[in-house]
Amino acid sequence: DSGVTQTPKHLITATGQRVTLRCSPRSGDLSVYWYQQSLDQGLQFLIQYYNGEERAKGNILERFSAQQFPDLHSELNLSSLELGDSALYFCASSETARSGNTIYFGEGSWLTVV
Amino acid sequence: DAKTTQPTSMDCAEGRAANLPCNHSTISGNEYVYWYRQIHSQGPQYIIHGLKNNETNEMASLIITEDRKSSTLILPHATLRDTAVYYCIVRAYYGGSQGNLIFGKGTKLSVKP
Repeated sequence: DSGVTQTPKHLITATGQRVTLRCSPRSGDLSVYWYQQSLDQGLQFLIQYYNGEERAKGNILERFSAQQFPDLHSELNLSSLELGDSALYFCASSETARSGNTIYFGEGSWLTVV
Repeated sequence: DAKTTQPTSMDCAEGRAANLPCNHSTISGNEYVYWYRQIHSQGPQYIIHGLKNNETNEMASLIITEDRKSSTLILPHATLRDTAVYYCIVRAYYGGSQGNLIFGKGTKLSVKP
């Protein structure tokens, strides 16, 4: 158990809909990361937050957005969903944003768009 | 893009040491080498990381060459539960986008009885 908690574990929704994925980082961790893993793309970095502020942005679509709240939990919002958005979404956290701090991953949220 | 090169797949006999190589010939002086593994579709699991010196923990050993252009992850006594995809990742020392983990395709390790 990494200590990173993600909900829901599984989600099935229709095209055009909007969903929110939630992440609770490990206790004391200030930095949160979101990754997407699909069959054809592998693990892709989406976005990073540190202590409530966006720190880095990767291959995140404009239809997707994220935020980190004062209690440090984070949410990834996916809108206007397409079939290709079906994937496993991972949240990860680390104590700080420094590269010497290990990043720990949650077990992921399976999103299926039908 | 990932800065590492790993074999696509490897086999190892149960109980033997598994040695997973990684080439990172363009590594900079301030970049760490990290190893993660992913068992089936579970979340990536941290194994070990190092900067210059060899490292050992309860899971594995990391051997980094003196020129830092390559490294080897060693699982001393592989078990069937070690079957997974192993990712070698070069991560910049400072934060920001370079401090994130950029995953490549990794090595699929199959431990066989």
